[in-house]
Amino acid sequence: GAGVSQSPSNKVTEKGKDVELRCDPISGHTALYWYRQSLGQGLEFLIYFQGNSAPDKSGLPSDRFSAERTGGSVSTLTIQRTQQEDSAVYLCASQQEGGAWYEQYFGPGTRLTVT
Amino acid sequence: AQTVTQSQPEMSVQEAETVTLSCTYDTSESDYYLFWYKQPPSRQMILVIRQEAYKQQNATENRFSVNFQKAAKSFSLKISDSQLGDAAMYFCAYRSGDKGGSQGNLIFGKGTKLSVKP
Repeated sequence: GAGVSQSPSNKVTEKGKDVELRCDPISGHTALYWYRQSLGQGLEFLIYFQGNSAPDKSGLPSDRFSAERTGGSVSTLTIQRTQQEDSAVYLCASQQEGGAWYEQYFGPGTRLTVT
Repeated sequence: AQTVTQSQPEMSVQEAETVTLSCTYDTSESDYYLFWYKQPPSRQMILVIRQEAYKQQNATENRFSVNFQKAAKSFSLKISDSQLGDAAMYFCAYRSGDKGGSQGNLIFGKGTKLSVKP
């Protein structure tokens, strides 16, 4: 079946502009995660959606970052007034709910470059 | 807070040889899960192997195995009979199990870049 997809694949924006990054999870997966991978760094957790529960926003680095998940499926990560330090690869992952523990399936990411 | 440390930024191995990637972690939790992910140039993160902390037996997946030392908080990955397709970034990751259930965010190390020489 189809995996996690993300769009755009690459995004170049000017400092101060707003950007939206999209994630389409695997159908039926109830959990969705956003991570950020900066150059030379590991993945940094940003936000986690689980079903209809309030999202876990504990990883968002500033109030310029926000995310929503509509209808329990597609998610959009928005970065307002982008800064050069926001340049990174943004990865989305989805996960099935279940009694046993399941893996997180990752999308190919969006590479964001802020000039 | 939990942390994951990978002390080898880069490693190299000859094709068909064996290589071990190191990972240590810090936690005060008793229930957790550990993972190794592979990230090729395509950026797609792929789960290689996983280990439940409560299991003493080391996980094995074909050519991939782990050496899980809970007391030492060490979780190394051994790749046997290395292949050219194994070349990638490898990330060690931790997930808390204290919240129960099967979900929760992963905490990653900074990765080890593995090169495989023909």
